[in-house]
Order: sequence, then structure tokens, then C-alpha cells
Amino acid sequence: ETGVTQTPRHLVMGMTNKKSLKCEQHLGHNAMYWYKQSAKKPLELMFVYNFKEQTENNSVPSRFSPECPNSSHLFLHLHTLQPEDSALYLCASSQGSGNYGYTFGSGTRLTVV
Amino acid sequence: QKEVEQDPGPLSVPEGAIVSLNCTYSNSAFQYFMWYRQYSRKGPELLMYTYSSGNKEDGRFTAQVDKSSKYISLFIRDSQPSDSATYLCAVFGGSQGNLIFGKGTKLSVKP
Repeated sequence: ETGVTQTPRHLVMGMTNKKSLKCEQHLGHNAMYWYKQSAKKPLELMFVYNFKEQTENNSVPSRFSPECPNSSHLFLHLHTLQPEDSALYLCASSQGSGNYGYTFGSGTRLTVV
Repeated sequence: QKEVEQDPGPLSVPEGAIVSLNCTYSNSAFQYFMWYRQYSRKGPELLMYTYSSGNKEDGRFTAQVDKSSKYISLFIRDSQPSDSATYLCAVFGGSQGNLIFGKGTKLSVKP
């Protein structure tokens, strides 16, 4: 495996379910990110982890809970989501501060019913 | 004022046309500028990277940054149907020092 891998690719969940999104990077990067991509909106930064420490939480509702057990793995735990949370969730990684860009995974397409 | 503004399009051109994609940004302190390309059902991939002002060329693609007008552009020469994708501009900086993206412009190149 190379690059940034996200699983699952697609997820349909009810509003009362609990699920988790997984991200793994094989690039030796030290920072990992969760982004939300909705139609006709810019990518929204949700969480930032640097050397496993969370450095940013952009006022994300508590129904989204990130976890970074090591610098290669990142999870996004989901519970009691709303239909407006349906979106493409993208994981990315970078080396250093990221001023040379981020490497993205293919995303998880989430549908909340 | 949004930190990065980008017209979402869509933009449709015939094969072989020159494509011009543009963004404006608000903070004159930004120094790193990028263009990402995103195919359907894929994540964004870094296409072009520019530091400070000037031009950068890579094959059929040219990225241009004009810091005096806070304007960034991507030109695609001899456009191909395989260039059909969404193109996102991004700047590095902002209040937290992260990548800030435009909305993306959806481009369709017709054979």
C-alpha cells in the first residue's frame, strides 16, 4: 500500500448508529488531517494532528470524535449524526507544517439516513 | 471576506482549448500557493506548487501568482478530455497555518 488509504469508501448509516472511519498513511508524514467536502463549499478543515497530538479542532460538533493512536493512523468516530453530515470525508497527511502541500486519500462517501 | 475565492463554474471547453482558472485571496502574508486536481470519486491530488510570485510551468500546465493583486491562476494548454476534473486552488497560511481551499472549479473538456 502506498500513499493515504481510507476505509470504507462508502458508508450509509442511520442517525442512531455509531461507526468509524479509518485512515492510514504510508508516507512517513508527521501530521494528519480530517476534512469535510460538501457540494458547492470549500473543503472544511475539521481536525489536525501533529505527532499524534491534536493541534486543532475547528468547532466541530461533538458527534464527531477523532482518534490518532500513532502518526500513521487516524480515525473519525461518528455517533448520532444528522442528515446534513452527509458528505465526502477526506483524510490527508503532510510532512512538517504542510506548506509543501498535503497528500489526500480517496475519501469516505458518508450518507446519513 | 472569505480567505480564498474561486468561481465554482462549471466550465465547459472544446478539446484543444486553452483553459484559464483563477482564484483570489485576501491575506497578503500568504506565501505558498497550490493547485489540486480532483477526479470524480477521488481525493484531491497536488498538481502545481508555487512559492511567492511568478510563474511555474509543468508540461501543459502553468501556475501564475500575482501577489500585488492577490490573484492566482492555472492555465492548461491543449486541453484534453482527461483534464476533465474539479480544480481547487489552495493557499498555505491563514490564522492557524493550514491549507485553505477555494470551492473548486468543475472543468469539462469535450472531445
